[in-house]
Amino acid sequence: QKEVEQNSGPLSVPEGAIASLNCTYSDRGSQSFFWYRQYSGKSPELIMSIYSNGDKEDGRFTAQLNKASQYVSLLIRDSQPSDSATYLCAVNRGGGTYKYIFGTGTRLKVLA
Amino acid sequence: KAGVTQTPRYLIKTRGQQVTLSCSPISGHRSVSWYQQTPGQGLQFLFEYFSETQRNKGNFPGRFSGRQFSNSRSEMNVSTLELGDSALYLCASSLAGGSDEQFFGPGTRLTVL
Repeated sequence: QKEVEQNSGPLSVPEGAIASLNCTYSDRGSQSFFWYRQYSGKSPELIMSIYSNGDKEDGRFTAQLNKASQYVSLLIRDSQPSDSATYLCAVNRGGGTYKYIFGTGTRLKVLA
Repeated sequence: KAGVTQTPRYLIKTRGQQVTLSCSPISGHRSVSWYQQTPGQGLQFLFEYFSETQRNKGNFPGRFSGRQFSNSRSEMNVSTLELGDSALYLCASSLAGGSDEQFFGPGTRLTVL
């Protein structure tokens, strides 16, 4: 079992729709969770972080964390073609491990 | 505030050579992590430095090494290059590591021939 798992996709959604990206993790002690966006040929760009159970909203993005079920998700509202990218989920256990584990990413395609 | 910078951006080497990559973190950030990204393996953690000390290391052979200087700038070195070392090498900085948000540099694209 991989430490952080994401569906590789591609996930195709029409422009204006909600894109839902999911990530599960195996270490129940994980404390910090991050979503990154990576365009082809570029480096990852931080979208948002989430540390507590529940929802966190930032503009068109909402991160959802459920530690009991060990999953974290990212919702993108009003998806735009410019949102087409690979979305990476990262998890940090905290407690002095200083190591972020990344999923392999979900490729999102927003169709105009 | 300037972002994370990495030099060089592109590098072509031959098998058996060694290479040194450099990373300058965001001002005020003291933690620097290095990652290798390949199409097949995704982002793999190499090591993390804070205050010139390596605090964690990934599962890479000893040919991969790094260091951090007192100004938080970091270098990583790969000796005896192999074809499989061709990858995008990314550096990320954060205030102190741990649960802090990490910000990535543009990366160094290494090609080993």
